[in-house]
Amino acid sequence: GAVVSQHPSRVICKSGTSVKIECRSLDFQATTMFWYRQFPKKSLMLMATSNEGSKATYEQGVEKDKFLINHASLTLSTLTVTSAHPEDSSFYICSAADRGNEKLFFGSGTQLSVL
Amino acid sequence: GNSVTQMEGPVTLSEEAFLTINCTYTATGYPSLFWYVQYPGEGLQLLLKATKADDKGSNKGFEATYRKETTSFHLEKGSVQVSDSAVYFCALFFNTDKLIFGTGTRLQVFP
Repeated sequence: GAVVSQHPSRVICKSGTSVKIECRSLDFQATTMFWYRQFPKKSLMLMATSNEGSKATYEQGVEKDKFLINHASLTLSTLTVTSAHPEDSSFYICSAADRGNEKLFFGSGTQLSVL
Repeated sequence: GNSVTQMEGPVTLSEEAFLTINCTYTATGYPSLFWYVQYPGEGLQLLLKATKADDKGSNKGFEATYRKETTSFHLEKGSVQVSDSAVYFCALFFNTDKLIFGTGTRLQVFP
């Protein structure tokens, strides 16, 4: 079946540094990718939707300059948490939709801890 | 607004026990409803879905029925196995292309 690879699975960084998370669709072309964030004991919250070759659409309350999303190809989207702070510590998960947007496949998630 | 509420975990069961994970939703209109499962170290996978009232989704022995009158989509399995240990997410989907998730319920099954 279709696979979405998300890397890294866990990252610990110092406050003020930037962290990049990659999301790759391994055996299909993903025209649309989604980035979610989950706080402890909270729902997965959609952060942004990215379409290949265009700017991402951010959900209300999500800082686009803080969470940079690039979807440069049909198989790769990246989320960069810029100047990370402890409050950015969270579980981030990506998902990718195939061309017909009929199915949604998820990465395994990235646990970010900012010290 | 639209939201999903599911029971907090962890749910701890012995093998072959009956499982129910409650999920209720609030929505304007008639969403599609899903259960996703995340096994340790893996991504979320679609477990089952129902697209209209009274539909029953089923897969791998799991079932859930779309109940409009109670706005519920409870997940059930008659006899759980150790391999069912995972986190289960209830979700609803509108034609806005946004999946709205519940908080997830961790299931732990012991032999």
